[in-house]
Amino acid sequence: QVQLQESGPGLVKPSQTLSLTCTVSGGSISSGGYYWSWIRQHPGKGLEWIGYIYYSGSTYYNPSLKSRVTISVDTSKNQFSLKLSSVTAADTAVYYCARGPYYYDYWGQGTLVTVSS
Amino acid sequence: SYELTQPLSVSVALGQTARITCGGNNIGSKNVHWYQQKPGQAPVLVIYRDSNRPSGIPERFSGSNSGNTATLTISRAQAGDEADYYCQVWDSSTAVFGGGTKLTVL
Repeated sequence: QVQLQESGPGLVKPSQTLSLTCTVSGGSISSGGYYWSWIRQHPGKGLEWIGYIYYSGSTYYNPSLKSRVTISVDTSKNQFSLKLSSVTAADTAVYYCARGPYYYDYWGQGTLVTVSS
Repeated sequence: SYELTQPLSVSVALGQTARITCGGNNIGSKNVHWYQQKPGQAPVLVIYRDSNRPSGIPERFSGSNSGNTATLTISRAQAGDEADYYCQVWDSSTAVFGGGTKLTVL
């Protein structure tokens, strides 16, 4: 059974960089065939796709966030990570990692990140 | 960019059939996936590729997709089905989600 778990600071100051890591267990990122994604949900709102990474390192980002987003993978640790730069209060959200492609069959529990000074 | 339109809310009487729609330009040409999200929890995939159920999802959940509308149907609605439901497609290498529909079971 594949499991994903997000980790990282719950509070980030405006203009700084949000950094989260997703640890995958029960399956290997290196096995291929899946796109490892980040999705966020603003409080009381819907889901917003941030981007994905393949085990090879190829990425694709939401055009609306592309200039601020970096997703990376560490296959030796079976982890992938999200960095979102120059954050503002509008980036306050629950951040989920999930397994794709096309549809998301496994999700992390989500982690709330608040942007505030 | 591609947009998906869902009703904000749908109500259904206990034991009756709920239908949640997801509208998009020629959505019938795309694969539509549906998620259920209960308060404080991560979304759960309930339908993939228009009409397929993942293991563990009751047969009461079904989906269809044609023209400009995809539909999630929940038969014999139960109190436990009360949740937010989101449709999702891929367009131009981007995952797109609908705005979500709150299902209330009366």
